[in-house]
Amino acid sequence: GQSLEQPSEVTAVEGAIVQINCTYQTSGFYGLSWYQQHDGGAPTFLSYNALDGLEETGRFSSFLSRSDSYGYLLLQELQMKDSASYFCAVSGSSASKIIFGSGTRLSIRP
Amino acid sequence: GAVVSQHPSWVICKSGTSVKIECRSLDFQATTMFWYRQFPKQSLMLMATSNEGSKATYEQGVEKDKFLINHASLTLSTLTVTSAHPEDSSFYICSASWGGSQPQHFGDGTRLSIL
Repeated sequence: GQSLEQPSEVTAVEGAIVQINCTYQTSGFYGLSWYQQHDGGAPTFLSYNALDGLEETGRFSSFLSRSDSYGYLLLQELQMKDSASYFCAVSGSSASKIIFGSGTRLSIRP
Repeated sequence: GAVVSQHPSWVICKSGTSVKIECRSLDFQATTMFWYRQFPKQSLMLMATSNEGSKATYEQGVEKDKFLINHASLTLSTLTVTSAHPEDSSFYICSASWGGSQPQHFGDGTRLSIL
């Protein structure tokens, strides 16, 4: 089977940096994705890591260590609009099928 | 960017009604589409994987006779909730992918409320 663990809630201050960790257990592995979901909305794709290392896209970066079955999403220069739920998701049994973690609710304070 | 359209956005209907939800990929051909269900403050649970021209693959615990999936073309997949009951009330979301390790692009979701 597959399982993912990530913190349920994180609070940070506007303008700060926050890191959301994700550990996973899968029998196979193709990659780790991150999605953002605002209340009442659908998930939007943020990043995908198939190989070890850091991927940077603007204020967001994602890191993967396959040997540690671990990844994180780094959000810099936090803005109020970044308040949302963030899901890590793993492609384990097939490249296209992904299983979502339980989600981390990020709250930004002024 | 890739656009996935899901219709309707919300449905309110009586118990026993069957409800059809459409998922369309507007600007790309989606070899694979996925259907998820999300209860309030919970994660997305994969219900089934739909491949064009073949039967859907359902996740364990999902009743295939209750949640009928049709993927007749590379741009359209439908989910029909048959004889819906209040416990089927949820947020249903589809996603589409080019296939392989390409990212999934999500529709805006359908909020289903069964009275």
